[in-house]
Amino acid sequence: NAGVTQTPKFRILKIGQSMTLQCTQDMNHNYMYWYRQDPGMGLKLIYYSVGAGITDKGEVPNGYNVSRSTTEDFPLRLELAAPSQTSVYFCASSQGGVSEAFFGQGTRLTVV
Amino acid sequence: EDKVVQSPLSLVVHEGDTVTLNCSYEVTNFRSLLWYKQEKKAPTFLFMLTSSGIEKKSGRLSSILDKKELFSILNITATQTGDSAVYLCAGNTQGGSEKLVFGKGTKLTVNP
Repeated sequence: NAGVTQTPKFRILKIGQSMTLQCTQDMNHNYMYWYRQDPGMGLKLIYYSVGAGITDKGEVPNGYNVSRSTTEDFPLRLELAAPSQTSVYFCASSQGGVSEAFFGQGTRLTVV
Repeated sequence: EDKVVQSPLSLVVHEGDTVTLNCSYEVTNFRSLLWYKQEKKAPTFLFMLTSSGIEKKSGRLSSILDKKELFSILNITATQTGDSAVYLCAGNTQGGSEKLVFGKGTKLTVNP
């Protein structure tokens, strides 16, 4: 059972570089989320999607973009990496309604 | 703005102690409250609470929700070193913009 798969697991970026964090789920969930977790902190919502073609900003969207062209995939794009984006990024999905969210294993990103 | 506040932020106990973790929430269109345990990687699901006063139990862990006072507690009895983790509480909104809003977490350390 794959569940939610994130790639890559680790990445080091230089300031100003761009990259895409990939997230895919095989549970046919409508809802998908991107969170970032800074050391000693909880999860902050970056963007979320309630279905293919629909995305919305969360608490900390600046510096990020997302797309949701299919139900399965929800990539997160960093256009101009900054040191403040050094964090662990988690993707999650949910069936919606009264159901839990399932998390990927995270991507540890360092911007130097 | 949706908000979830957990207390204490950090807790150190000895094996065998009982602990109570607190979570208060102010979430628009509240649907449910979820508890997760996070060790080194992704959060893993513990409980989902939707109704007031109904305790959910899993082994030594239990949780209850008070929708009138807008809080939940997570109890762990006879703690073990394997309970050491960050415990995250999340409020789930409902409606067209359904999302999970997380607190900062409580870091529990259980010493032998």
